[in-house]
Amino acid sequence: QVHLVESGGGVVQPGGSLRVSCAASGFTFNSYGMHWVRQAPGKGLEWVAFIRYDGSYTCYADSVKGRFTISRDNSKNTLYLQMNSLRPEDTAVYYCAKDVVGLADTGGGVDYWGQGTLVTVSS
Amino acid sequence: SYELTQPPSVSVSPGQTARITCSGDALPKKYAYWYQQKSGQAPVLVIYEDSKRPSGIPERFSGSSSGTMATLTISGAQVEDEADYYCYSTDSSANGVFGGGTKLTVL
Repeated sequence: QVHLVESGGGVVQPGGSLRVSCAASGFTFNSYGMHWVRQAPGKGLEWVAFIRYDGSYTCYADSVKGRFTISRDNSKNTLYLQMNSLRPEDTAVYYCAKDVVGLADTGGGVDYWGQGTLVTVSS
Repeated sequence: SYELTQPPSVSVSPGQTARITCSGDALPKKYAYWYQQKSGQAPVLVIYEDSKRPSGIPERFSGSSSGTMATLTISGAQVEDEADYYCYSTDSSANGVFGGGTKLTVL
């Protein structure tokens, strides 16, 4: 059974940094691309970033490009999102999610989601 | 930037058919996915690759896509289907995009 558990959320001041993690189990982690998706309070879903199964390719939403970095450690079955230069508008629940298709060069849809971790950017 | 457009709300009576649309210029070439999100919960995949239903999703959920529009159909909607529904696809650069979401009311 696929299990995704995010951690590392919290309160950070504007301009600060935070790294959130996602521990994966129940599937062959190094065979699937992974995504981060966020949801601001009371708002809709926003795709944030994707990383290929082997870490060789990443892509980002324009709203976070240059500030956020997605990475993975396949030896630890863990996905990361490093968030720098945080802004109040980055306040959201951050979900990690597994891509539907294995060994895909680029991202597609997601099939499994974690429960999310809340990041609050406020002074 | 690429956008997917959904109606903000759809309302049906129990047992009726609910249809939620999603329009986007790249949909003729890109798959659509549909997610159900109930209050306070993580999203759940209900349709993938336009029309495929994951195991465990009731048969009343179906999907289709034609031209620039994808449609999620719930045949015989139940009270428990009341939720927010989001379509998702990718743009020409393989970046992900969600629609704005549709609140389905069943009463």
